[in-house]
Amino acid sequence: DIQMTQSPSSLSASLGDRVTISCRSSQNIGNFLNWYQFKPGRAPKLLIAIATALQTGVPSRFSGSGSGADFTLTINGLQPEDFATYYCQHSYSVPFPFGGGTKVEI
Amino acid sequence: QVQLQESGPGLVKPSDTLSLTCTVSGDSLDTYYWAWIRQSPGERPQWIAHIYYSGRTTFNPSLQSRVTISADRSRNQISLRLKSVTAADTATYFCARTNRYNFYNYYMDVWGRGTAVTVSS
Repeated sequence: DIQMTQSPSSLSASLGDRVTISCRSSQNIGNFLNWYQFKPGRAPKLLIAIATALQTGVPSRFSGSGSGADFTLTINGLQPEDFATYYCQHSYSVPFPFGGGTKVEI
Repeated sequence: QVQLQESGPGLVKPSDTLSLTCTVSGDSLDTYYWAWIRQSPGERPQWIAHIYYSGRTTFNPSLQSRVTISADRSRNQISLRLKSVTAADTATYFCARTNRYNFYNYYMDVWGRGTAVTVSS
């Protein structure tokens, strides 16, 4: 199976900061990479699909980049509602695994 | 606006079968895949399976022998059955609409809030 590794596992940031989260796959997955935001008790939210496609309704401060095996989620200008856990996930092959997550804290 | 609502028993005994339902409102099941994902406490989410509206299914190999997924288009519901549960199956279970790009590039674009399941005697 293709493994997904995220870094860092957690980070502390302040409002207005630029935050970058890295996701690496153990094999080339092209652009088969999605980013999700998880908050306790809330429906998870798709932020970025196909490595770079910002989803409708997601603020433009979120962006995704990368292809192949190295990907990045960037938040430009952290807002209070962005404190959450972020996961990457690939859809290149079953079982479509998630990364270990990055918890963004104040 | 599409909404997904998971429902389930909350507590299941070891070795029993877990049955969950996802009710879809605001859209039909047609043209989409529908997935189940779970997240155990402190763990990363785990994709379980998805089903196309026509009935075609794909499973996580690690769970395939215990999982059944089905779609009821008349009720706009997706169901999951997981047999022979153990404590390791304790998790929050989510359903999600799965869209795709160029046939095989899947992404889960609408999620439910999840339903918590505890396996305990």
